[in-house]
Amino acid sequence: DARVTQTPRDKVTEMGQEVTMRCQPILGHNTVFWYRQTMMQGLELLAYFRNRAPLDDSGMPKDRFSAEMPDATLATLKIQPSEPRDSAVYFCASGRGQGFEAFFGQGTRLTVV
Amino acid sequence: AQTVTQSQPEMSVQEAETVTLSCTYDTSENNYYLFWYKQPPSRQMILVIRQEAYKQQNATENRFSVNFQKAAKSFSLKISDSQLGDTAMYFCAFMKQINYGQNFVFGPGTRLSVLP
Repeated sequence: DARVTQTPRDKVTEMGQEVTMRCQPILGHNTVFWYRQTMMQGLELLAYFRNRAPLDDSGMPKDRFSAEMPDATLATLKIQPSEPRDSAVYFCASGRGQGFEAFFGQGTRLTVV
Repeated sequence: AQTVTQSQPEMSVQEAETVTLSCTYDTSENNYYLFWYKQPPSRQMILVIRQEAYKQQNATENRFSVNFQKAAKSFSLKISDSQLGDTAMYFCAFMKQINYGQNFVFGPGTRLSVLP
């Protein structure tokens, strides 16, 4: 049963620490999205990649956030330094083709204290 | 930029009854895709139903169906024979192709409670 895998599932960290979230897209999927979900803002698109190339990261705070796809099986989202306002659930989703169904991972719940 | 609006923050329905969730969107595009996703308390995002804008026929998946009104830019979800397991947040989403990528935005969600 193919699925998107995100690690860690939950993360608590202190303000100022670096946080790395990982996503393994479904094999064969060539598009990867990163979303942030909060009660106030809902689901915000942070970045997306196609064939490992970043196509849009305009939704991402550039000073502290970075997203990469070092290879087709791994996408990463880093926050350095982390701040309490970064506390949220971060989702990765992958898909293939046009107008595809995006498959979501279970998300990483980040708490910055 | 495309926007998706869900005007009902919360709704409730009795088990076995029918409920309709509303969604409107704003776009100047002609070709695009619309989705309804469900997020139960487990927080997993699950696709409920998908509609291609160029298809006039409304999509149906078992108890779930949509009313797609392209001219009105409306995409409502009807859940028939509601079950307790349908309790969740429901998100309407819009996707279009831009250059070599996709624009994929979500509405704010509707919290649905199915009452026994």
